[in-house]
Amino acid sequence: GQNIDQPTEMTATEGAIVQINCTYQTSGFNGLFWYQQHAGEAPTFLSYNVLDGLEEKGRFSSFLSRSKGYSYLLLKELQMKDSASYLCAVLDSNYQLIWGAGTKLIIKP
Amino acid sequence: DTGVSQNPRHKITKRGQNVTFRCDPISEHNRLYWYRQTLGQGPEFLTYFQNEAQLEKSRLLSDRFSAERPKGSFSTLEIQRTEQGDSAMYLCASSLGRGETDTQYFGPGTRLTVL
Repeated sequence: GQNIDQPTEMTATEGAIVQINCTYQTSGFNGLFWYQQHAGEAPTFLSYNVLDGLEEKGRFSSFLSRSKGYSYLLLKELQMKDSASYLCAVLDSNYQLIWGAGTKLIIKP
Repeated sequence: DTGVSQNPRHKITKRGQNVTFRCDPISEHNRLYWYRQTLGQGPEFLTYFQNEAQLEKSRLLSDRFSAERPKGSFSTLEIQRTEQGDSAMYLCASSLGRGETDTQYFGPGTRLTVL
């Protein structure tokens, strides 16, 4: 079966750095997406990785290791508005997005 | 900014009633997706269109669910004889459709409550 694992919940302090991990086992791989979702709102696109390595975009960076079936999302200089759920999704061999359950990130002052 | 829009935003209905939701994608996007999401879970794929053609439908989608995209622009999702288990957020997303890995952009969703 297809499986994407990410922690259910994480807590971090405003101004700090947090790393949200995602491991996956899917039938094929055509890229990995990270989305941010605030409570009651739709997911918004953050990043896409298809090759190994780190992609940096402002305060957010995303890393991929295809051999390990592993990705992380790194958030720097945390702000209160970063409190949200972060969803990892993998594009499988049928080019269908397989979603993780999301990691709820709580930022404390 | 003309992003993906969905109507209604909220729908409360009684069990057994039919409901219909509408999605208007970003204007130049050829692909349109429907997902269902329950609390604490990621989106669950329901179906997807390339222009007006419905190319894929989840095996989880019962025959009470039907979707259309008659002119390749807006789409509707209908649920017949609603059940309490249908209560969820229904999300629509669209993408350019140029290549298999193009990014999906989501609408605000329609929250359905079945009493």
